[in-house]
Amino acid sequence: KQEVTQIPAALSVPEGENLVLNCSFTDSAIYNLQWFRQDPGKGLTSLLLIQSSQREQTSGRLNASLDKSSGRSTLYIAASQPGDSATYLCAVNPDSNYQLIWGAGTKLIIKP
Amino acid sequence: GAVVSQHPSWVICKSGTSVKIECRSLDFQATTMFWYRQFPKQSLMLMATSNEGSKATYEQGVEKDKFLINHASLTLSTLTVTSAHPEDSSFYICSARDTQGGSYEQYFGPGTRLTVT
Repeated sequence: KQEVTQIPAALSVPEGENLVLNCSFTDSAIYNLQWFRQDPGKGLTSLLLIQSSQREQTSGRLNASLDKSSGRSTLYIAASQPGDSATYLCAVNPDSNYQLIWGAGTKLIIKP
Repeated sequence: GAVVSQHPSWVICKSGTSVKIECRSLDFQATTMFWYRQFPKQSLMLMATSNEGSKATYEQGVEKDKFLINHASLTLSTLTVTSAHPEDSSFYICSARDTQGGSYEQYFGPGTRLTVT
């Protein structure tokens, strides 16, 4: 059974720092992996999607990597800003016709 | 990216009444949509998978007669909370899966906050 874990559960850093959020999964047989952010009381925004054949994806200050063999993905945020404060969720898609398996999220606070 | 809308964004209703929430994929067709609920400071909980033209698949513990799902077209799925009670108060979020090009990326709506008084 696929399980997704995110560490740390919460993180607080000063503005301007680079940071890494971690996501691990127990079964390396995945179709793709997505990173989302959720602001309080809001829906989810898709940040990056990495297909199983890919090693990384980049969007602006965000870079997500995927290492299937070790069951790990990281989300790297460069030059953090207060507006990056949110809960970041990673989700694994085990199969194209399956629902996402979710991590519990990392609550990120960027201090001005 | 693709856009998913939800309507209404918030609703207050009296106990015993029914509430319908709409989820629309605005710029892509979605054969599969998902309905989640989220309690304060908790993770998303998948309620059901909605497939266009067929019956929804409900997760264990979710009452299908209470949470009616209709996915009548490739761009619209509805969730009806029947005979709502205060414990049904929650944040309901839908998502739609874009299968074009094989990405199977999921896009989420902004959510609907339901308060039952």
